[in-house]
Amino acid sequence: AQSVTQLDSHVSVSEGTPVLLRCNYSSSYSPSLFWYVQHPNKGLQLLLKYTSAATLVKGINGFEAEFKKSETSFHLTKPSAHMSDAAEYFCVVSDKGSYIPTFGRGTSLIVHP
Amino acid sequence: GAGVSQSPSNKVTEKGKDVELRCDPISGHTALYWYRQSLGQGLEFLIYFQGNSAPDKSGLPSDRFSAERTGGSVSTLTIQRTQQEDSAVYLCASSLASADYSYEQYFGPGTRLTVT
Repeated sequence: AQSVTQLDSHVSVSEGTPVLLRCNYSSSYSPSLFWYVQHPNKGLQLLLKYTSAATLVKGINGFEAEFKKSETSFHLTKPSAHMSDAAEYFCVVSDKGSYIPTFGRGTSLIVHP
Repeated sequence: GAGVSQSPSNKVTEKGKDVELRCDPISGHTALYWYRQSLGQGLEFLIYFQGNSAPDKSGLPSDRFSAERTGGSVSTLTIQRTQQEDSAVYLCASSLASADYSYEQYFGPGTRLTVT
């Protein structure tokens, strides 16, 4: 069975400071993990994905995430926040062979000037 | 190339009326998903299609909700006798499908449904 927990419903940072959005997952085996971003009144867009290749995954807009099997985590980071990063972020897990991914409840990132 | 499109973008309907929401997936994507997103909430899974068949309808909230997919392409989500609690954004996504690999989903912009 697969499940995902986003540990923070809201994260507030100042522009130019680092971003950390936390995600823990549970999976039977060989999970694929994704981060999606949703800007206000828009659909979801893929930021990055992990599919059993390199554990450090780089995505769009300077975001990256590290797959840590021992900690069952897939936290999203960015060295320096921009105002345009303000959005809702979703962590997603999908077991190998599962056609229906499981979404986290989302983390709202607020960026202050 | 063309992404996932949904129509209408906005729909206002009176309580008790039926509505149809349409999704055009990316060409060649065999998997299609419908989700519901209420204000400030996460995504609620509704239904999944593989080709024209729906192996998993477990997320449909009630028998007022139904969906079909024809020609392995366009899908329609129908809500009968709409209620105010049906007000939400309905998102469609498509992806390639494989038993050995989890492909990412591509989302449409959504249909905002308001039931008055």
